[in-house]
Amino acid sequence: DVVMTQTPVSLPVSLGGQASISCRSSQSLVHSNGNTYLHWYLQKPGQSPQLLIYRVSNRFSGVPDRFSGSGSGTDFTLKISRVEPEDLGDYYCLQSTHFPFTFGSGTKLEIK
Amino acid sequence: QVQLQQSGAELAKPGTSVKLSCKASGYTFTSYYIYWVKQRPGQGLEWIGYIYPGNGGTYYSEKFKGKATFTADTSSSTAYMLLGSLTPEDSAYYFCASALNYWGQGTLVTVSS
Repeated sequence: DVVMTQTPVSLPVSLGGQASISCRSSQSLVHSNGNTYLHWYLQKPGQSPQLLIYRVSNRFSGVPDRFSGSGSGTDFTLKISRVEPEDLGDYYCLQSTHFPFTFGSGTKLEIK
Repeated sequence: QVQLQQSGAELAKPGTSVKLSCKASGYTFTSYYIYWVKQRPGQGLEWIGYIYPGNGGTYYSEKFKGKATFTADTSSSTAYMLLGSLTPEDSAYYFCASALNYWGQGTLVTVSS
């Protein structure tokens, strides 16, 4: 199985500040069709996960442009600028290039 | 709008089975995969597998083979997951998701004698 190593585990951030979360995979996430299936989710307390970024860098419908994704191959990053209170929660990366799909272990974004 | 409505919380005894439902609306049910994900309280997300309602095709993560069984009723746009031979380690929230984009609210399964 592809192992997704997500760091940091906890990320204290000031409101209005910037946050960066890393996700590294144990093998390349480039599919044979040329696409890279790496996605980012936010799970707010008591809620189900919500899709933020799909296929590395594409913002899902309604997601503010404060969220951006980048990366390639095995190394990916989610950046959140101008952090707002509604951004708090657990962030997960997910790879869906290889079966079985696998999630990162999560990063808790909290207020400093 | 797309919605996935999951069934209510379940309390089950060890060794028994529960069948969870996930009713879809707002899109063509047969055109998108339904994925199932497990989350133990306070823990991370674990991918169980999928069903493709268009043809009933399924895939199970190795860990969940023999534990989970997916079915889908296209007439009611509802996906189901049967969890069998329950143990306390199966106590968790279970989410369904359509095409990984839209998620249900989750069903809490508690296994206790």
